Amino acid sequence: AQKITQTQPGMFVQEKEAVTLDCTYDTSDQSYGLFWYKQPSSGEMIFLIYQGSYDEQNATEGRYSLNFQKARKSANLVISASQLGDSAMYFCAMREWRYGGATNKLIFGTGTLLAVQP
Amino acid sequence: GAGVSQTPSNKVTEKGKYVELRCDPISGHTALYWYRQSLGQGPEFLIYFQGTGAADDSGLPNDRFFAVRPEGSVSTLKIQRTERGDSAVYLCASSQAGVAGFGGELFFGEGSRLTVL
Repeated sequence: AQKITQTQPGMFVQEKEAVTLDCTYDTSDQSYGLFWYKQPSSGEMIFLIYQGSYDEQNATEGRYSLNFQKARKSANLVISASQLGDSAMYFCAMREWRYGGATNKLIFGTGTLLAVQP
Repeated sequence: GAGVSQTPSNKVTEKGKYVELRCDPISGHTALYWYRQSLGQGPEFLIYFQGTGAADDSGLPNDRFFAVRPEGSVSTLKIQRTERGDSAVYLCASSQAGVAGFGGELFFGEGSRLTVL
């Protein structure tokens, strides 16, 4: 069964510094997709970044980058130049593949609460 | 509206009561998803609609849970005989395509927080 593990329940970072949020995954599929979502206190899940299992380059989106290490099955999120508005829950997720194709289901980890300090 | 809209934002009910939660997806999005998020957990998949039909309802925990999308836009999640364990935030999401695209275009609402006393 597929599984996402986020071992950091909470993290602190100083404003303007970089922070890495850890994510490891378990799957027997060769093709899969990995996502990071941000969930502020308002509750909605905001898509941040995506990495496909066959993508050779690490994904980047502005201040977000995904450190994808396929052999280690890790997909850590790096946030550079942290801002106060980055304080939120962060979820790593994997899309299931079944019967040779992608499904609509995302499997989420338990999340990491990031607090950015001024 | 511009985003996914969910109502009510908060619902408190008594054990055994019937509850309906509504989701209004982004206009033009054919795919609609329901997830449930318990305290301290990530969201868990419940059901997925493509158009009017439920393409995958394998995440519904039992037959007390049911969802409809009669006209292919607004969806209603229905919970019968609510139990305290049903307390959670119910998240709705929509996307243009049936499968959350490679760009991750799955747009979530702010959720409906259900509390069963």
